[in-house]
Amino acid sequence: DTEVTQTPKHLVMGMTNKKSLKCEQHMGHRAMYWYKQKAKKPPELMFVYSYEKLSINESVPSRFSPECPNSSLLNLHLHALQPEDSALYLCASSQDRTLGAPRFGPGTRLTVL
Amino acid sequence: SQELEQSPQSLIVQEGKNLTINCTSSKTLYGLYWYKQKYGEGLIFLMMLQKGGEEKSHEKITAKLDEKKQQSSLHITASQPSHAGIYLCGADEDSGYALNFGKGTSLLVTP
Repeated sequence: DTEVTQTPKHLVMGMTNKKSLKCEQHMGHRAMYWYKQKAKKPPELMFVYSYEKLSINESVPSRFSPECPNSSLLNLHLHALQPEDSALYLCASSQDRTLGAPRFGPGTRLTVL
Repeated sequence: SQELEQSPQSLIVQEGKNLTINCTSSKTLYGLYWYKQKYGEGLIFLMMLQKGGEEKSHEKITAKLDEKKQQSSLHITASQPSHAGIYLCGADEDSGYALNFGKGTSLLVTP
């Protein structure tokens, strides 16, 4: 298995909802990443997990809460989001933080109403 | 962190023509990565360059990193409609830091 999968593909939520984005890889990668991408902009780093521990948090608001339950899974819990949080959320993984190019999943298109 | 400048911002070429996309950093890079993205989809990894003067090729795409490790180019030979998309360069200054990306180059290949 040489890919990163993300579910759901699309998500529409209200500002009072709680939802989660899921990311999975079975390549034995030990670094996993969340990126946010607005339309016509490059991806922006949100979080980095290394060996299931949070190693980088790029000053992301607390309404985004990452979780890494095991080495293959990465979640992003969403609560009380704002319409400006609507974006494509991309998950990526790499062998570890110092080895290999990150491989990206297909993304989750999030719309906050 | 470094800023990456990509040029051109957009490109329209006729099928069969060659083209080059550039990526420039103000700082020496640890690694330089090229990705392709279709609108609304994930990034597809193309190539990774880490050594000054390094050059890699895959099918009709060649990427180079200069000796100072501050500038990279992506060259497509005999472009095809399948090459259309947004090309992004990503880089890390130091080993172990996640990638920052340039603003991308949008490529359209016309028949």
